[in-house]
Amino acid sequence: KAGVTQTPRYLIKTRGQQVTLSCSPISGHRSVSWYQQTPGQGLQFLFEYFSETQRNKGNFPGRFSGRQFSNSRSEMNVSTLELGDSALYLCASSIGQQLAKNIQYFGAGTRLSVL
Amino acid sequence: GIQVEQSPPDLILQEGANSTLRCNFSDSVNNLQWFHQNPWGQLINLFYIPSGTKQNGRLSATTVATERYSLLYISSSQTTDSGVYFCAVITGANSKLTFGKGITLSVRP
Repeated sequence: KAGVTQTPRYLIKTRGQQVTLSCSPISGHRSVSWYQQTPGQGLQFLFEYFSETQRNKGNFPGRFSGRQFSNSRSEMNVSTLELGDSALYLCASSIGQQLAKNIQYFGAGTRLSVL
Repeated sequence: GIQVEQSPPDLILQEGANSTLRCNFSDSVNNLQWFHQNPWGQLINLFYIPSGTKQNGRLSATTVATERYSLLYISSSQTTDSGVYFCAVITGANSKLTFGKGITLSVRP
């Protein structure tokens, strides 16, 4: 069974541009979560989707948005990029409705550099 | 929100040595996972262990939920064990994973 797949692996953008990152969960998994990792703030939760519905959102500005499709694939979008958005963005998938009762599996991440 | 503290922040070992990594959390949890972040950034699942003890080869973990801590044991360490180890918890049925700051382990040959 294939793991969580994130594309692209690396991205370089300039300030003011927008970017879209993609995450394909493990087959059969219906929950997808997104996290941002930076050296200063560590791993921070962005949002979580289950069956195309956003169930939980972290403390990030509205420039960060996401969505989930009917096949459970998810995308996140960052508009008007800032230098501080440079980070490793990680996606996790989980099989069940209750995150607390299921293991979350992470993809290899997308490393975004904003110049 | 819940606080997750990991100690020590850095650990240097000689190959073959044993180590204990600790995770303290400030509230009761429904989910606790240990991860190893490889050099390419991917978080690799080690254990899902909200309570009790589990073993997987040279690694084992124990969570004492009533005392709000978890321990990850690495025996006979190898250079490939190097990297950052994270503990992460969930406190509600459908809430986020809250991560500790990680423990950087360096195993020297």
